[in-house]
Formats: sequence, C-alpha cells, structure tokens
Amino acid sequence: SQELEQSPQSLIVQEGKNLTINCTSSKTLYGLYWYKQKYGEGLIFLMMLQKGGEEKSHEKITAKLDEKKQQSSLHITASQPSHAGIYLCGADPWGSNYQLIWGAGTKLIIKP
Amino acid sequence: DGGITQSPKYLFRKEGQNVTLSCEQNLNHDAMYWYRQDPGQGLRLIYYSQIVNDFQKGDIAEGYSVSREKKESFPLTVTSAQKNPTAFYLCASSIRGQGAATKYFGPGTRLLVL
Repeated sequence: SQELEQSPQSLIVQEGKNLTINCTSSKTLYGLYWYKQKYGEGLIFLMMLQKGGEEKSHEKITAKLDEKKQQSSLHITASQPSHAGIYLCGADPWGSNYQLIWGAGTKLIIKP
Repeated sequence: DGGITQSPKYLFRKEGQNVTLSCEQNLNHDAMYWYRQDPGQGLRLIYYSQIVNDFQKGDIAEGYSVSREKKESFPLTVTSAQKNPTAFYLCASSIRGQGAATKYFGPGTRLLVL
C-alpha cells in the first residue's frame, strides 16, 4: 500500500535555530501538502507543491519538492515559539485531487 | 467569518452506545470528509461526500455511518460495532474538484470510552 514516511517523529530545537522536516514517498506524487496542527486542534494548511523542483515560502517556512516528486522537505529558519506544533505532510498519489495519504506527523518543540 | 465547526469538543461513549459527532460548514463547500487521528499515526479517512445525498466509504468505514442531507452538514455516527472508537476525529471540507489545496479542517472532537 502507498505510504508516506515522515522524519523525524519529534524534534526539540532551541529558539532561533533552523530545522528541517522530511516527507518521503516510494512513488511519484501528484501533489504534496504541508499542514500544521496545534495539539488537540484542527489542521491549518501551509503549502502545496505540485511541480518537480518546486519551492515555496511563507514567512520563515520554506517547502521544497524534489525533481522526482517523491520527497519534500520543510525548513524553518530562526525558529520561534509560535512554530511549535505538529507538522503533517499529505500527498495525492493517484491524481484524485481529494483523497490523500498522510505522514504520521513531526512533533516540534521550541525551547526558549 | 466562514469556517467549520465541530461539536462537542469532548464526547464520552458507554459500551454498546451509538454517538453522533456534528460537523457544520458555512464555506459553501461541496465536499466534506471525516478523518480519524490516532497518536503516532497519520490521518485515516472514514467517509467522504462530494455532493448532497451521496457519500463514499474511506479506508476505515467499518463501525461508522454518515448522512449528507444538507450541503453544510455531515454528521458522523460511531456505532457500537466500532470496538476501538477512542480517537481524535477531524472533519474537513473543500471545493469540489480542487481537493486538498482548498481543504479546511474543523477543530476536532475527542471521543473517549467510559
């Protein structure tokens, strides 16, 4: 079955430091989506990547999709307490445009 | 402001009891979804609906039922046949045909078994 591997499972980072979260698929994806979740709350859409080599940024968060469209990385520069939460990647491996597979999430803790 | 509301925030279920989770959206979205989230696992799709009066099973539909009588409402019933219902349940909606890029999530309902 199609799987999405997310790493690391959890991350503790000193405030102000940079960090990277990865999301990997064994097959080419039609689309890759990054979401953020505060514990016990709903998901907030961050970014969508569709083209090989694509890179998007929002404030201090940058996401990239590799040329083969099988791996994405989420990079946070100069982390802040507001970045803490769970980051989830979702992917569309079938081109259905509505049914996604999901990574297990990366729990990010920012140490002051 | 448009958005998705879920109620209740916490729900307790007794053995053999059916419980219903509410999901309402005022975004005028055609498509609505129910996901289950367990610790350390990704979201798993329970049911989805792309138009009123029509819905399809997702990956883990057994023990659950839904209805879609109105565009803005998509309630989920957790039946007594669901033997392990303790989880965080998330409702989402999106513009039909534009899928995940337009997907909004509700704040979730945590279901606990007494």
